Amino acid sequence: EVQLLESGGGVVQPGGSLRLSCVTSGFTFNNYAMSWVRQAPGKGLEWVSAIGGSGGSTFYADSVKGRFTISRDNYKNTLYLQMNSLRAEDTAIYYCVRAPTIVVRPDYFDYWGQGTPLTVSS
Amino acid sequence: DIQMTQSPSTLPASVGDRVTITCRASQSISNWLAWYQQKPGKAPKLLIYKASSLESGVPSRFSGSGSGTEFTLTISSLQPDDFATYYCQQYNSYWDTFGQGTKLEI
Repeated sequence: EVQLLESGGGVVQPGGSLRLSCVTSGFTFNNYAMSWVRQAPGKGLEWVSAIGGSGGSTFYADSVKGRFTISRDNYKNTLYLQMNSLRAEDTAIYYCVRAPTIVVRPDYFDYWGQGTPLTVSS
Repeated sequence: DIQMTQSPSTLPASVGDRVTITCRASQSISNWLAWYQQKPGKAPKLLIYKASSLESGVPSRFSGSGSGTEFTLTISSLQPDDFATYYCQQYNSYWDTFGQGTKLEI
């Protein structure tokens, strides 16, 4: 059974940093591209960042480019999102999601974690 | 960026109804469209990909159609478990973008 389990969310002051983790199981992690998708309270879904199966290719939404860094540890089957210079508008539930291919490209997401909440507030 | 517009935003319906949700893209996305279902407090769940391909395990009462800029999600006979919010997503080009959602309510 495919499982994605996020952690690391919490309350952070504006300008602060946080790292999200997503531990995966039930599939060969390095064979799949992964992304982070977020959902602000009461709002819709926003793609944040993507990484290829090998970790060599990464992409970011304009709203987080230069502030967030996606990475993965294929030995630990874990996806990460390092978030710096956090803003109030980054407040959201962050979902770890799997794409159906190894290549990072525009794609749908076949598995979602349960999400981890981030609140940026003073 | 490609904009995705869903209609209606809210759809009142009853068990047994046949319902259709529409998603329009601001430019052609061929058939690179997915549909998701989200229930309160839960993560979205993939229903349809490539506009009309049913994800494994999804009931056959769900179907998708369309290409280019106009797409529909149809539920042939609403079940109590189907009352949720539905999102479309284009994956024709970066960045992947989602519609604003359609809430199906009793």
